[in-house]
Amino acid sequence: QQQVKQSPQSLIVQKGGISIINCAYENTAFDYFPWYQQFPGKGPALLIAIRPDVSEKKEGRFTISFNKSAKQFSLHIMDSQPGDSATYFCAATNGNKLVFGAGTILRVKS
Amino acid sequence: GAGVSQSPSNKVTEKGKDVELRCDPISGHTALYWYRQSLGQGLEFLIYFQGNSAPDKSGLPSDRFSAERTGGSVSTLTIQRTQQEDSAVYLCASRTGWDNEQFFGPGTRLTVL
Repeated sequence: QQQVKQSPQSLIVQKGGISIINCAYENTAFDYFPWYQQFPGKGPALLIAIRPDVSEKKEGRFTISFNKSAKQFSLHIMDSQPGDSATYFCAATNGNKLVFGAGTILRVKS
Repeated sequence: GAGVSQSPSNKVTEKGKDVELRCDPISGHTALYWYRQSLGQGLEFLIYFQGNSAPDKSGLPSDRFSAERTGGSVSTLTIQRTQQEDSAVYLCASRTGWDNEQFFGPGTRLTVL
């Protein structure tokens, strides 16, 4: 019940394309859903986050879509750039501890 | 301002030795977390400190792992009698008491030979 399932494990996208990463959760008590971006040799950094009272949040080229009834949320990266190549983690929490997905390695080809 | 710092950045040790990993959280952050990230894997929660409350140790994989946080600031993660399966990147994160965002350090890469 505490798991967050993330897919795909890896993704290759052409420059300018749309990258889509999906996550699903079971615990309906989760009330905060962040996405973290991690570059090699660095710690994860918060990219964008959403709460379940909205269905979508957009910040620049990054959008979270949230489907409460399906218990799913996704990250969309528009106009993907080579600099977006990184590992992306979704996560969820209803309190103090974040539960992370397994991560998606994104490679944007120039 | 300064972010979360961790030391050492890399640690190579022999099986059976003890190691100590250090985390300096962002000043004023009351919550501190330790995670373990194995190669190609997600982040595995280890332990959580919040202010003066008893730590949440529910993620520690065995009694060889322990952590303390002195004076509500610096934290040390200790692994006793290290095993090869302990090889991983150990990440520390901190946050304020009222915001969900966790700020991560760069991690310590531990290699047990």
